[in-house]
Amino acid sequence: VQLVESGGGLVKPGGSLRLSCAGSGFDLSPYALNWIRQAPGKGLEWVSCIDSSGTFIYYEDSVKGRFTISRDNANNSLYLQMNSLRAEDTAVYYCVRDGPVADYFFDDWGQGTQVTVSS
Amino acid sequence: EIVLTQSPATLSLSPGERATLSCRASQSVGIYLAWYQQKPGQAPRLLIYNASNRATGIPARFSGSGSGTDFTLTISSLEPEDFAVYYCQQRSDWPPYTFGQGTKLEIK
Repeated sequence: VQLVESGGGLVKPGGSLRLSCAGSGFDLSPYALNWIRQAPGKGLEWVSCIDSSGTFIYYEDSVKGRFTISRDNANNSLYLQMNSLRAEDTAVYYCVRDGPVADYFFDDWGQGTQVTVSS
Repeated sequence: EIVLTQSPATLSLSPGERATLSCRASQSVGIYLAWYQQKPGQAPRLLIYNASNRATGIPARFSGSGSGTDFTLTISSLEPEDFAVYYCQQRSDWPPYTFGQGTKLEIK
């Protein structure tokens, strides 16, 4: 199982960025998926999750109204549209699977993509 | 929101020693607690789920225990590759899923 993130980069405060996550060699569609971030030198923070069909979506409070999670099961992909970015959004963003074998804990993580918000 | 507090912040031990890491929840999470290991420059890896179940491929020297608000991750005999940061995480009451602040296990 391999999750591959892309789309990170350097963006100015107030700017936008769209992250993508692809399932390499396996089908993402049966699984709920998450974005989890880690600021430099800090711990892990859950950002958002989406169920397998895209029907149920949840966000951490600080990103509500600014970030939008979505998925395209036909293209085996997960996305995170990030608008109105702030310096405190600077982090490595991980695409993470809810693992049914591990009772829906986070059993598979991508390598992460760096997002830096700075002027 | 459930707050998870890990202790100690840093644990200094030698290879071959036993490591005991603690995670305390601000309210009961039942058994819905996991432990992750993260090495520098790498993504976290699931070690233990539902408080005491080892994830696929995790060596038997890693064990978890506890329920309710108090949990422990034990590494019975430290190997050189075990020195890393460890996080606990709950999925009892979400959103949000929450993590502890981490315990750094360093070589003494």
